[in-house]
Amino acid sequence: QSVLTQPPSASGTPGQRVTISCSGSNTNIGSNTVHWYQQLPGTAPKLVIHSNNQRPSGVPDRFSGSKSGTSASLAISGLQSEDEANYYCAAWDDRLDVYYVFGTGTKVTVL
Amino acid sequence: QITLKESGPTLVKPTQTLTLTCTFSGFSLSTSGVGVGWIRQPPGKALEWLALIYWNDDKRYSPSLGSRLTITKDTSKDQVVLTMTNMDPADTATYYCAHLYSTSSTPIFDYWGQGTLVTVSS
Repeated sequence: QSVLTQPPSASGTPGQRVTISCSGSNTNIGSNTVHWYQQLPGTAPKLVIHSNNQRPSGVPDRFSGSKSGTSASLAISGLQSEDEANYYCAAWDDRLDVYYVFGTGTKVTVL
Repeated sequence: QITLKESGPTLVKPTQTLTLTCTFSGFSLSTSGVGVGWIRQPPGKALEWLALIYWNDDKRYSPSLGSRLTITKDTSKDQVVLTMTNMDPADTATYYCAHLYSTSSTPIFDYWGQGTLVTVSS
């Protein structure tokens, strides 16, 4: 069971903006950077946002990230059909009995 | 470019030990700040971090899996090996290895292997 909580699902029509939340605590999101991974069906995860709000080379600028306190968010603007995937947040947890944690995952559906 | 590939058995019996190998190219595990991690994903479920090893041989393990895990590296062969003892059907999952770098307070898994499905069944 993950210590980073995400909504199970989110949806939008093409062109809309979708936001996914990731809720944690002082020992993970509150103390460390957050990364976001996109997992298309049947494929390995792909990094889309790192260090709270940095886009790796090649990731479209419609993906953006933010962090405030013990929560983080991933926003997808101008939603496209190829954005339909599962999205996971991730963070280091300073507690010695946890270390690295992924979120529960959010399925984004393009209607 | 950086590539990683997982290899190992696709089927193991309960109580057996699983040994997975991650063979990589495009980077060296002797480079400061670099590492390799293992992550798994049961069918239809979320990602779960298992272990990671850094260039300086520093290792971290998922506490929930306790002493069942061992991660080692062979820099000369560009390989990282993960062993998991006492396998159980609940360990059935796709196992991924990933390149990581640690410029951020949370290690960043920026390149992933394709994954290998391991089924635990008698």
